[in-house]
Amino acid sequence: ETGVTQTPRHLVMGMTNKKSLKCEQHLGHNAMYWYKQSAKKPLELMFVYNFKEQTENNSVPSRFSPECPNSSHLFLHLHTLQPEDSALYLCASSQDEGRTSGEETQYFGPGTRLLVL
Amino acid sequence: AQTVTQSQPEMSVQEAETVTLSCTYDTSESDYYLFWYKQPPSRQMILVIRQEAYKQQNATENRFSVNFQKAAKSFSLKISDSQLGDAAMYFCAYRSASNYQLIWGAGTKLIIKP
Repeated sequence: ETGVTQTPRHLVMGMTNKKSLKCEQHLGHNAMYWYKQSAKKPLELMFVYNFKEQTENNSVPSRFSPECPNSSHLFLHLHTLQPEDSALYLCASSQDEGRTSGEETQYFGPGTRLLVL
Repeated sequence: AQTVTQSQPEMSVQEAETVTLSCTYDTSESDYYLFWYKQPPSRQMILVIRQEAYKQQNATENRFSVNFQKAAKSFSLKISDSQLGDAAMYFCAYRSASNYQLIWGAGTKLIIKP
């Protein structure tokens, strides 16, 4: 089992649809992250969860709704998205946020390629 | 605010040759971490190498090594004996020691010529 898995790998949805992205980590980590990767732009951090508690919401529109039921699973619920939301959505995990310990390396999943029509 | 700059949108190298990818960053902090990640066409972002700013010795991982120049705020990645499997986007990232947020560069696309 690979360290961080994401499903689905590809998703096409209309602007009125509701869908969810799933991320699961098998590394025993406590922190999980959602990133958005758009063409020709640096990765954008969307949400951070540490020990199931959301610690960061990086000014993300409310049409993106994260859920973290436990330290191993992270969801991103999508509703009424816009075409500009089409991107690669990456999930990552680390031992913890590393605010005090320092060098917490983030490990990434393969991403979900999302296309909003 | 911290920034990370990768000035080479694309680089190409002959198989078995050596290539260096450049990265510069801007920060007022003294304690931080720097990373190189690789993202092949499969899209999986894979950690290549990590450097702690407090360590003077350059990090190495097999064919991958860095040239960390703290005063110049430069963090280049050298890939020796390039292989076809090295073809990917390479991202440089910065992380403060007191903050979990990674600051990313825009990436460099590395092409390996057979």
